[in-house]
Amino acid sequence: DTEVTQTPKHLVMGMTNKKSLKCEQHMGHRAMYWYKQKAKKPPELMFVYSYEKLSINESVPSRFSPECPNSSLLNLHLHALQPEDSALYLCASSPGQGSFGQPQHFGDGTRLSIL
Amino acid sequence: AQSVTQLDSQVPVFEEAPVELRCNYSSSVSVYLFWYVQYPNQGLQLLLKYLSGSTLVKGINGFEAEFNKSQTSFHLRKPSVHISDTAEYFCAVSDYGGSQGNLIFGKGTKLSVKP
Repeated sequence: DTEVTQTPKHLVMGMTNKKSLKCEQHMGHRAMYWYKQKAKKPPELMFVYSYEKLSINESVPSRFSPECPNSSLLNLHLHALQPEDSALYLCASSPGQGSFGQPQHFGDGTRLSIL
Repeated sequence: AQSVTQLDSQVPVFEEAPVELRCNYSSSVSVYLFWYVQYPNQGLQLLLKYLSGSTLVKGINGFEAEFNKSQTSFHLRKPSVHISDTAEYFCAVSDYGGSQGNLIFGKGTKLSVKP
């Protein structure tokens, strides 16, 4: 069982839809991450939140909008996505950002398909 | 800046045979090193990590890795693999602070264990 919970597991949406991905952890971690992973590729970092503040935005298009309502929750709001945005979206958490090698813990991801 | 090279994109091996998955890294500063495994339709699971100390690191599921600073390598080994070890394996580095401790992933190695 993973300690980082992501919902939904699968999502199919049209290009004009608005949807949200959710991520939750109860390990007391203060850093949370969104990654995008295409098939047969490593995860690509999208956003980092540290102590509920956006720390890193890796030049992600504005159709992806992250939100961190509290230290346990991380959302990714989706709007007007493109077919190339179809991918596995992974959430991860760690005790702190770059905290002396403490590993990131990953959820099982949301498989997103854009029609 | 750091980079990670996983020398083999695919490694086929027979069940109960030994396996080595190779990883080399490049960094101008000291790094932490990780191996993650990704089973089909799942997120990434930490296998093992090297922070400091003994260069031989033991992880879960019978895997181990050896840190070699002079060769900038962190190869993953298992003396006898099982069918259930079939998965994608990612080597990753995190520096002490230059990139805010974020993970830099290799491109992955697909391990296929055949009966």
